[in-house]
Amino acid sequence: SQWGEENLQALSIQEGEDVTMNCSYKTYTTVVQWYRQKSGKGPAQLILIRSNEREKRSGRLRATLDTSSQSSSLSITGTLATDTAVYFCATDRQGGRALIFGTGTTVSVSP
Amino acid sequence: GPKVLQIPSHQIIDMGQMVTLNCDPVSNHLYFYWYKQILGQQMEFLVNFYNGKVMEKSKLFKDQFSVERPDGSYFTLKIQPTALEDSAVYFCASSLGGSSAETLYFGSGTRLTVL
Repeated sequence: SQWGEENLQALSIQEGEDVTMNCSYKTYTTVVQWYRQKSGKGPAQLILIRSNEREKRSGRLRATLDTSSQSSSLSITGTLATDTAVYFCATDRQGGRALIFGTGTTVSVSP
Repeated sequence: GPKVLQIPSHQIIDMGQMVTLNCDPVSNHLYFYWYKQILGQQMEFLVNFYNGKVMEKSKLFKDQFSVERPDGSYFTLKIQPTALEDSAVYFCASSLGGSSAETLYFGSGTRLTVL
């Protein structure tokens, strides 16, 4: 499997709180992409972080990448009810073209 | 933003029948993908496709599966014959380039139920 400790978990928070989700992977990757999937929809990309980057920010999102521990995190500050979704990290397994997704973290944000 | 359309959204068929799932990718995209998702869990990579050829496929892409995109029309996934374990949501995606740093644009999926 591509994945070590799975990022499979479910988080329930209140609007306005911050949330961080983690993902770890077994095989070297050149990029980590984070996607969000809302109910009944396909995943949509949130942020991409390359192996030579430690941190990437986009609006309320912050992604980190630690290549030594082969782990990445995604933080959302000031969550909104519309952030309710499943969040996936995805890697490329040693630079292959195929993007391989983790099992996802379910985040439920209550108004 | 760019949209990928999948038709139909639901399909119910009997085991052993053939099914074709259709995908209308983003118009200027060159790379196409199919993923399989069971019960809202992990997105499993099936195959990617470029210039009329399969570039990579996973172990889930069984011999009963095939993909094609004849002359810029729909990108299709055909399963013949279907099995019970093929029941899942199938997502099509497309990207402009083929590297793993490209953004994949996904459709809303086709829910396939094999009885």
